[in-house]
Amino acid sequence: DSGVTQTPKHLITATGQRVTLRCSPRSGDLSVYWYQQSLDQGLQFLIQYYNGEERAKGNILERFSAQQFPDLHSELNLSSLELGDSALYFCASSASGSGETQYFGPGTRLLVL
Amino acid sequence: TQLLEQSPQFLSIQEGENLTVYCNSSSVFSSLQWYRQEPGEGPVLLVTVVTGGEVKKLKRLTFQFGDARKDSSLHITAAQPGDTGLYLCAGAGNNRKLIWGLGTSLAVNP
Repeated sequence: DSGVTQTPKHLITATGQRVTLRCSPRSGDLSVYWYQQSLDQGLQFLIQYYNGEERAKGNILERFSAQQFPDLHSELNLSSLELGDSALYFCASSASGSGETQYFGPGTRLLVL
Repeated sequence: TQLLEQSPQFLSIQEGENLTVYCNSSSVFSSLQWYRQEPGEGPVLLVTVVTGGEVKKLKRLTFQFGDARKDSSLHITAAQPGDTGLYLCAGAGNNRKLIWGLGTSLAVNP
């Protein structure tokens, strides 16, 4: 158990819909990362937050957004969903967000029909 | 742009065999991490290497960081079915962001 929790574990929805994925980091970790993993693209970095502020942006689509709240939990919002958004979405946390070990949650498996 | 290439992409071997997987880049990294991911789970850190030429051992797994800190290898001795999984390397780049490879998918058959 990494100490990172993600909900929900599974999500099935339809094209055009909007969903919110939730992540709670390890106790004491200030940085949260969001990743998308699909069979053909591997682990793709989406976005990083540190202590409530956006720190780095990766391959995140404009239809996707995220935020980190004062209690350090984070949410990833996916809107206008397309079939190609079906993937595993992982949240990871680290102490300071400077290239050190990242601890991954169990992931949310999203299926868009 | 810093990139990490992992090879081979897929590897299927019999229990008891030895194997080596590689993580290569043209860029220098301040440190490099190896993770293993099992199906349906998130990646879990195996080891971090920091010094050029550094070798770290974790039971039957041997990790080496290249002298120039541009590449790394993971050698598994006498592979077991429990070693099955996706092996990912991640390098800490210029701005301390982690750069991820696409992984080597290993299947060890009993």
